[in-house]
Amino acid sequence: DAGVIQSPRHEVTEMGQEVTLRCKPISGHNSLFWYRQTMMRGLELLIYFNNNVPIDDSGMPEDRFSAKMPNASFSTLKIQPSEPRDSAVYFCASSPTRDSYEQYFGPGTRLTVT
Amino acid sequence: DQQVKQNSPSLSVQEGRISILNCDYTNSMFDYFLWYKKYPAEGPTFLISISSIKDKNEDGRFTVFLNKSAKHLSLHIVPSQPGDSAVYFCAKRNFGNEKLTFGTGTRLTIIP
Repeated sequence: DAGVIQSPRHEVTEMGQEVTLRCKPISGHNSLFWYRQTMMRGLELLIYFNNNVPIDDSGMPEDRFSAKMPNASFSTLKIQPSEPRDSAVYFCASSPTRDSYEQYFGPGTRLTVT
Repeated sequence: DQQVKQNSPSLSVQEGRISILNCDYTNSMFDYFLWYKKYPAEGPTFLISISSIKDKNEDGRFTVFLNKSAKHLSLHIVPSQPGDSAVYFCAKRNFGNEKLTFGTGTRLTIIP
């Protein structure tokens, strides 16, 4: 079975542009998580969904960030407008059930905002 | 509020010796601690976990020790191998919550 799929793998954009990151979780997994990795703060949880419903978005930095999960096999993280401080690696992860402690991560999207 | 701290950003260990990675936490309300391993250009992968009711968990070359009174846990790798070179994250899961809180990671380099 394929793991978590993220696209694009690399994104370079100019400040002020809209950026959309995409994620396909592992089939049958009920929970989906978006993380951001930076040198200073490590892996930070931005938002997570259970059965396509957002459960906790307290980690979303500000209103410029939004996430959706229209169905069980697809999620997006959008940044509009993007800023240089958004440059980071963004990971998507999924887990089978709410009781599962193990999360399965995608390869990440490296975002550079110039 | 950094609930999980990994105070050593990097660690170098000779091949064949023991690697010890450390993690401190502030909030005692958790049910599991987990260790993840991350290679460059890849996502983190689960390595080993420990329940809050245990003080040790072993899986092959990897052992996790939990000291609840000191709010400290450590990952021991014996013997260390070149393929162990990676960034290691500890993560905490609180009771009744599927969120994981990660530390900032420790880059382990195994010297041949």
